[in-house]
Amino acid sequence: EAQVTQNPRYLITVTGKKLTVTCSQNMNHEYMSWYRQDPGLGLRQIYYSMNVEVTDKGDVPEGYKVSRKEKRNFPLILESPSPNQTSLYFCASSAPGQPQHFGDGTRLSIL
Amino acid sequence: GDSVTQMEGPVTLSEEACLTINCTYTATGYPSLFWYVQYPGEGLQLLLKATKADDKGSNKGFEATYRKETTSFHLEKGSVQVSDSAVYFCALSDLTDISKYIFGTGTRLKVLA
Repeated sequence: EAQVTQNPRYLITVTGKKLTVTCSQNMNHEYMSWYRQDPGLGLRQIYYSMNVEVTDKGDVPEGYKVSRKEKRNFPLILESPSPNQTSLYFCASSAPGQPQHFGDGTRLSIL
Repeated sequence: GDSVTQMEGPVTLSEEACLTINCTYTATGYPSLFWYVQYPGEGLQLLLKATKADDKGSNKGFEATYRKETTSFHLEKGSVQVSDSAVYFCALSDLTDISKYIFGTGTRLKVLA
C-alpha cells in the first residue's frame, strides 16, 4: 500500500529538548516536503527536497532542520524547540508536479 | 509570487443542500490546480485536480472547473451529505517551479442531518 508514515503521531515535550519527527514514503517519490498547519493559517511549507541531498527552505524554515540522505526518508529536526513551534505537522511526497501524498500528521506540543 | 485565496469558513449546510467553496489563484506560470480534503484526525487527501484551462476535475460528486479567465477553481457539489463534513483546501502547483506547492487557508464544512 502506498503510504507516507510519520512518527510520532503525538508528542509533548519541553522547551530546548531536541526532537526529530521521522517521515518515510514507499512510493519512490523524488519530492518530499514538510508543512505545519495552524488555525487560520492553513498549511505553510517548512522545507522541501527535490531529491537525495537536495533540500531547500520553504516559507517558514526558522527553527527547523531537515536532511535527505536516502530517497525514502525526510526527517524534520527541531534542535531547540520553542512553544511557538507547537503545531500540527505534515510530511508529504510526490512525483514532481503531481498531487502530494500526505502522512497522518504529528501533533507537537512544546511546553 | 503565486498565491491561493479561498473563502473563509466555517460553512454550515443542511444535508442535501448545494455547496460552493470559492477559490481564486494568482500564478505567473502554468499551474495545475487541486482540491484536497482533510477529515478529522487525518492528513490531506487529493479530492480532484485539473491541469489546464477548461479542465473539469470530479470525484465523489464534487466538481471544479479550471477557469483561466477568472483565475478560479471553485468547488461544487449538488447535494452534500453529513459524511462530507471536513476541511477543504485549494492548492496549486506551478510547472515553472515544481518545487513549490501553494495551499489556501482551508474552508471548514459542517453538514447537519
